[in-house]
Amino acid sequence: AQRVTQPEKLLSVFKGAPVELKCNYSYSGSPELFWYVQYSRQRLQLLLRHISRESIKGFTADLNKGETSFHLKKPFAQEEDSAMYYCALGDSNYQLIWGAGTKLIIKP
Amino acid sequence: EAGVTQFPSHSVIEKGQTVTLRCDPISGHDNLYWYRRVMGKEIKFLLHFVKESKQDESGMPNNRFLAERTGGTYSTLKVQPAELEDSGVYFCASSPPSLLTYNEQFFGPGTRLTVL
Repeated sequence: AQRVTQPEKLLSVFKGAPVELKCNYSYSGSPELFWYVQYSRQRLQLLLRHISRESIKGFTADLNKGETSFHLKKPFAQEEDSAMYYCALGDSNYQLIWGAGTKLIIKP
Repeated sequence: EAGVTQFPSHSVIEKGQTVTLRCDPISGHDNLYWYRRVMGKEIKFLLHFVKESKQDESGMPNNRFLAERTGGTYSTLKVQPAELEDSGVYFCASSPPSLLTYNEQFFGPGTRLTVL
């Protein structure tokens, strides 16, 4: 079955500390993976996609097919990073299959 | 450029009533998607339009839900009759036509539906 798992509902770290939001997937084909973010009172927006292999707002995510993971990382968290983060998988029918989301809180 | 808009932002109705949600995609975006997040659960795909055609409606929960996209512009999602379990946030997203496998989907602010 196609599935995206984000094991942490809530992650709280201090400003300046490293952040890693975990995402594991289950998919039989070649996955397209995304991280979406929703800041307070804003709409969902794309943060990263694995094929672009770029860093956005200091965040990176590497697709590890062996571990079926797409963890989101940032070496030094900032207060403005506080938000809901969703990992999503794009299937062959152009649907996005979503994880449950992780609420990231950056403490000052 | 105006983003994806949704109307209303909130709707509170009683069980058995009808509600119609509207989504206006970004101009020129052929692809339009509806998603739903029921409280405490993950966002779920409902359906996908390409222009006015339903490309995939496998996520529609049952026949109480009807989506239309007349003329390939805005889309409506009607719930008739509404049940308590329909409560949640309904998101609309759009993306441009492309030969690539995936284009970025641009999301609307969502409509929060509460069925009492």
